[in-house]
Amino acid sequence: AQSVTQPDIHITVSEGASLELRCNYSYGATPYLFWYVQSPGQGLQLLLKYFSGDTLVQGIKGFEAEFKRSQSSFNLRKPSVHWSDAAEYFCAVAPGYSSASKIIFGSGTRLSIRP
Amino acid sequence: DVKVTQSSRYLVKRTGEKVFLECVQDMDHENMFWYRQDPGLGLRLIYFSYDVKMKEKGDIPEGYSVSREKKERFSLILESASTNQTSMYLCASSSGDREAFFGQGTRLTVV
Repeated sequence: AQSVTQPDIHITVSEGASLELRCNYSYGATPYLFWYVQSPGQGLQLLLKYFSGDTLVQGIKGFEAEFKRSQSSFNLRKPSVHWSDAAEYFCAVAPGYSSASKIIFGSGTRLSIRP
Repeated sequence: DVKVTQSSRYLVKRTGEKVFLECVQDMDHENMFWYRQDPGLGLRLIYFSYDVKMKEKGDIPEGYSVSREKKERFSLILESASTNQTSMYLCASSSGDREAFFGQGTRLTVV
C-alpha cells in the first residue's frame, strides 16, 4: 500500500535561512508527488508536483523539490524563507498507473519562522 | 476560477445524530475525496469516488458512508455521530493529472 512519511513534525528556522522539509514515500512504481501548503485558517494550496521529466521541480513562492528515486524521497527546499512561509506543509502521493486512484497525504510538517 | 464548495464552514451536532456534509465541484472532475484533518495526523482519507455511484474506502471509513449521485456532488454521511468524529473535514476533487483542489473545510463538533 502506498504511504507517505514526513519525519519532522515541527521545524523552526530563522527568516532568511534556507529550508528543507523531508518527505519519503512508499510505492512500487513512479508515482505522482505533490507538496501542498496550508496557511493558518486557510485551505490547502498546491506548491508543486512531479510525475516525470526533470527530477528538480520548481513551484510557486520560490519553492523547489527534488525527486530521488533511489531514496524514495521528494524533499521540499527554499533558499531563503520569509515570515509569510510560516504554515503547515503536506507531502502527497498518487499512483501513476491509474487516474481513478486515491491521493495519500503525509502527517504534515509545521514550519515556524524565527524573526 | 476552479471551485470546490463545502456547504458549511462550522457545524455543531449532537451525539447519535445523522450528519450530512455536502461538497460540490464545478470543474467536471472525475475523482472526489473526503478527508479528515486532525492535529499531528495530517489528512486521512475517508472515502473517494472515481465516478458517479462508484466509491472506494480510504484508510478510515468506519462510521462514515458516502453518496455520489451526480458527478459534481459528493456527500459524506455520519450515520450516528460520535464525539470522536469531531474534526475538520476536507473535500477535494481531481482529474487525470491527480492535482487535488480543496474546499475550505467543515469544522464539525459533536457534543
